[in-house]
Amino acid sequence: ETGVTQSPTHLIKTRGQQVTLRCSSQSGHNTVSWYQQALGQGPQFIFQYYREEENGRGNFPPRFSGLQFPNYSSELNVNALELDDSALYLCASSLALDEKLFFGSGTQLSVL
Amino acid sequence: GDSVTQMEGPVTLSEEAFLTINCTYTATGYPSLFWYVQYPGEGLQLLLKATKADDKGSNKGFEATYRKETTSFHLEKGSVQVSDSAVYFCALSGNDYKLSFGAGTTVTVRA
Repeated sequence: ETGVTQSPTHLIKTRGQQVTLRCSSQSGHNTVSWYQQALGQGPQFIFQYYREEENGRGNFPPRFSGLQFPNYSSELNVNALELDDSALYLCASSLALDEKLFFGSGTQLSVL
Repeated sequence: GDSVTQMEGPVTLSEEAFLTINCTYTATGYPSLFWYVQYPGEGLQLLLKATKADDKGSNKGFEATYRKETTSFHLEKGSVQVSDSAVYFCALSGNDYKLSFGAGTTVTVRA
């Protein structure tokens, strides 16, 4: 059984650029959630996808968008990057809407 | 909205010392409560959880009791090891299944 995998592990972008982060959910899991973890802070909920539909969104602007594919993998897209978008982005998968989340190791995004 | 406040760190302890990390929450309804742990270079892992008042979650020697009257979920371990060095996050989940996390507490255990 493979765990949650995220790619890339590290990424450097400049302000104004766009970025796509990828996540493969754990085998059998059809729900994916994305979190942003700024340095020294707890993770903040961005949004959740369940069976390819957005199923809840946190307090993030529309330039944060996502997709979930038929195989339940997911992408997080961020447009018009700002310096404050520099953070660790965590993906978590779960079986349906069950509360137990399995987290990936994250993608460290640096915006210069 | 839902929120979690946890004890600020960092916390430095000697091996075999007693560890307590305080956590209080604000939520509507009856949330589930969690402790997650983040080891260096790794993703978050669920350490323990409790889903209703007076439930005690336990794992790897760690314990936390869901106290509705004090809206608290303090984490305790009686004898820490060097391998317990990590960042610990208290979190809650309401009906919408999203997790609201505290800011995290860094724990360092010295041999």
